[in-house]
Amino acid sequence: ETGVTQSPTHLIKTRGQQVTLRCSSQSGHNTVSWYQQALGQGPQFIFQYYREEENGRGNFPPRFSGLQFPNYSSELNVNALELDDSALYLCASSLRQGSYEQYFGPGTRLTVT
Amino acid sequence: GENVEQHPSTLSVQEGDSAVIKCTYSDSASNYFPWYKQELGKRPQLIIDIRSNVGEKKDQRIAVTLNKTAKHFSLHITETQPEDSAVYFCAASQYNNNDMRFGAGTRLTVKP
Repeated sequence: ETGVTQSPTHLIKTRGQQVTLRCSSQSGHNTVSWYQQALGQGPQFIFQYYREEENGRGNFPPRFSGLQFPNYSSELNVNALELDDSALYLCASSLRQGSYEQYFGPGTRLTVT
Repeated sequence: GENVEQHPSTLSVQEGDSAVIKCTYSDSASNYFPWYKQELGKRPQLIIDIRSNVGEKKDQRIAVTLNKTAKHFSLHITETQPEDSAVYFCAASQYNNNDMRFGAGTRLTVKP
């Protein structure tokens, strides 16, 4: 059984640019959730994907968007980057049926300058 | 929406002592309450969880209690060890973790 993986590990972007972050879910998991964790704070829910569709969204603007692929991997896209988007972006996978537990990837540290 | 408050923000204990972290939630529809441990620079790791149909759950030195009426739940760590030092987060959600809300975290330091 493989764990949740994310790429890249670190990323530096300039304000106004666009970024794509990637997540591979744990083997057997079909649901992926994305979180933003600012320094010194708890993770904040961005959205969740199940069966390639968005299945719930937190308080984030439309410039945060995502995709889920048939193999359950997922992407987080952020357009028009702002300085406040600098954070650790975490994805977590879970098995929708029969289990509540979700497991986090190592995260992508995004710095916007 | 759900709002989770966590206390204290920092906690320092002597090795071997117990540590207790408390959280409250606002949405009575929440039915799943996990606890995560996050070491510096690492991913949050699920250490224990509880569902709303259970009042208490224990796993070796770690236990969680849930009071649905009062909408609060607590993490108890007994016989603390230096390797327990980390930031601990409580969270609350409904089924399928849709819109899971996290507390602000508690930085636990266990002094040898």
